[in-house]
Amino acid sequence: DSGVTQTPKHLITATGQRVTLRCSPRSGDLSVYWYQQSLDQGLQFLIQYYNGEERAKGNILERFSAQQFPDLHSELNLSSLELGDSALYFCASSPPAGDTQYFGPGTRLTVL
Amino acid sequence: AQTVTQSQPEMSVQEAETVTLSCTYDTSESDYYLFWYKQPPSRQMILVIRQEAYKQQNATENRFSVNFQKAAKSFSLKISDSQLGDAAMYFCAYRRVYTGANSKLTFGKGITLSVRP
Repeated sequence: DSGVTQTPKHLITATGQRVTLRCSPRSGDLSVYWYQQSLDQGLQFLIQYYNGEERAKGNILERFSAQQFPDLHSELNLSSLELGDSALYFCASSPPAGDTQYFGPGTRLTVL
Repeated sequence: AQTVTQSQPEMSVQEAETVTLSCTYDTSESDYYLFWYKQPPSRQMILVIRQEAYKQQNATENRFSVNFQKAAKSFSLKISDSQLGDAAMYFCAYRRVYTGANSKLTFGKGITLSVRP
């Protein structure tokens, strides 16, 4: 158990819908990262937050957005879902000035 | 931009034997971190080992060790005394030295390791 929690574990929805994925980092970690794992794209970095502020963006679609709240949990919002958004979404956290990222169990999103 | 290449999509090893998983990377930076993560069928990403580029000594964690060749930009993982529980997908990853911003992990495509009993 890495100490990073993600909910829900599984999500099945339809095209065009909107979903929210939630992540709670390890105690004391200020950085939260979101990654997408799909068969064709592999593991791709989406976005990073540090202590409530957006720090870096990767290959994140405009239909996707994220935020980190004062209690440091983070949410990834996916809207106007398409079949191709079906993937495993990971959240990871790391401590201040830390170099290692610890991953949550992931949320498997299926878009039908 | 940094890239990580894992050219072997699959490997197989006999239980109790030793196997080496290859990884190469490309970067123009002199300081960085390298990692190996394990992803078993449960899909959880588990840190196996980390290496700091400015350290000459190869990292070791129990049965797992790395062969870090900085000049060749090579970072291979050796698993000794392979066990059935080692069967998983293994990802090599690169990270810039922490700057507070853009400290993302760049992953290779992964290698699926099977262990034969």
